[in-house]
Amino acid sequence: GAGVSQTPSNKVTEKGKYVELRCDPISGHTALYWYRQSLGQGPEFLIYFQGTGAADDSGLPNDRFFAVRPEGSVSTLKIQRTERGDSAVYLCASSLGTLSASGANVLTFGAGSRLTVL
Amino acid sequence: AQSVSQHNHHVILSEAASLELGCNYSYGGTVNLFWYVQYPGQHLQLLLKYFSGDPLVKGIKGFEAEFIKSKFSFNLRKPSVQWSDTAEYFCAVISNTGRRALTFGSGTRLQVQP
Repeated sequence: GAGVSQTPSNKVTEKGKYVELRCDPISGHTALYWYRQSLGQGPEFLIYFQGTGAADDSGLPNDRFFAVRPEGSVSTLKIQRTERGDSAVYLCASSLGTLSASGANVLTFGAGSRLTVL
Repeated sequence: AQSVSQHNHHVILSEAASLELGCNYSYGGTVNLFWYVQYPGQHLQLLLKYFSGDPLVKGIKGFEAEFIKSKFSFNLRKPSVQWSDTAEYFCAVISNTGRRALTFGSGTRLQVQP
């Protein structure tokens, strides 16, 4: 597509429920990144994929968070047993290739999925 | 630990005033530097970027930033702001000594009064 698409744009759930957030990157972009943005903060890295594999998941806060990208395109971020502290905007971004300090790739962000856990 | 600092959390300016937003990073090695902007109700958009070469880079809408390696800084500037520049501005860095992802600062909220 023309841009990075994220669904749902808003999700309200109850504490303890399971949530899935979807990201459809720009066509042809092999790298896909998930970030989380809490109110008044900058985006915080969660995980990134190069192709189908999770290349770095060191930003996932705990084992309730999991992400997949089975066909190297669409990715789903899964949150189990949601807690009120999970409330945030979850941002997805994609780039032609993995970012590096010696490269020329840039991240293009989607509009985000706002998650509210009651 | 690698970090990016934006010391100005909230800046209020009148139209036509000059703007400078600070950004400092804490790690060495080769770096790529970015400024992203988030207008009210919109998603993050790339404003400008530095990869290599001329340390003074120009972006969209009249913005520019200067990479000063000795000061670990990448400050954003605009000579004359407009009301439409009201937004949140984020500095981001990637280095060759850390993870292959952008690390963002906490952002600066700019409010331009007409």
